[in-house]
Amino acid sequence: ETGVTQSPTHLIKTRGQQVTLRCSSQSGHNTVSWYQQALGQGPQFIFQYYREEENGRGNFPPRFSGLQFPNYSSELNVNALELDDSALYLCASSRGRDRTYEQYFGPGTRLTVT
Amino acid sequence: AQSVTQLGSHVSVSEGALVLLRCNYSSSVPPYLFWYVQYPNQGLQLLLKYTTGATLVKGINGFEAEFKKSETSFHLTKPSAHMSDAAEYFCAVSDLYNNNDMRFGAGTRLTVKP
Repeated sequence: ETGVTQSPTHLIKTRGQQVTLRCSSQSGHNTVSWYQQALGQGPQFIFQYYREEENGRGNFPPRFSGLQFPNYSSELNVNALELDDSALYLCASSRGRDRTYEQYFGPGTRLTVT
Repeated sequence: AQSVTQLGSHVSVSEGALVLLRCNYSSSVPPYLFWYVQYPNQGLQLLLKYTTGATLVKGINGFEAEFKKSETSFHLTKPSAHMSDAAEYFCAVSDLYNNNDMRFGAGTRLTVKP
């Protein structure tokens, strides 16, 4: 088990609503990446935060936004939820923003949009 | 753009048999390559990675992979499968230049028969 925790574990929302997912990094890690994993697929990179600044973004619309706090914990916010946003959302923390640093994944938050 | 193709969405082997999971990548710059394992209802765990240097990489749980630039491949092997190896395996590619993007394959589900 890694030291990365995510909350909540499960969430059900209605189309059009907004949602906030939370991630607590492993101790000593200053970088957090978020991924969306649809059922039966591999994770897709949403964005990365390094020392409270966005440091890279995948092919996701602006309604996906994030924050990283001084303690390096992080939030993922999704506005105007769509049915296709239903997925497992994973966060991963690492010691640095370079991809050579190992990422430690949390167990994920499963979001269902109805 | 980077991409990863995992050949075979399902692989079944007998306990004690060789495990071979195939991964081919596409990248216009020197890649970083990764193999992750995902057990049910858990996040991803890094098995091994290639960044630079020796092309044969050894990882945890007896797995290894070889980076073959000429074949654009990074296949994962284990000489003798164990029941506990049953899981979903993901190959991923990243590099220094693509905005910290990380592309995952669709995954290969490994089943181990007694």
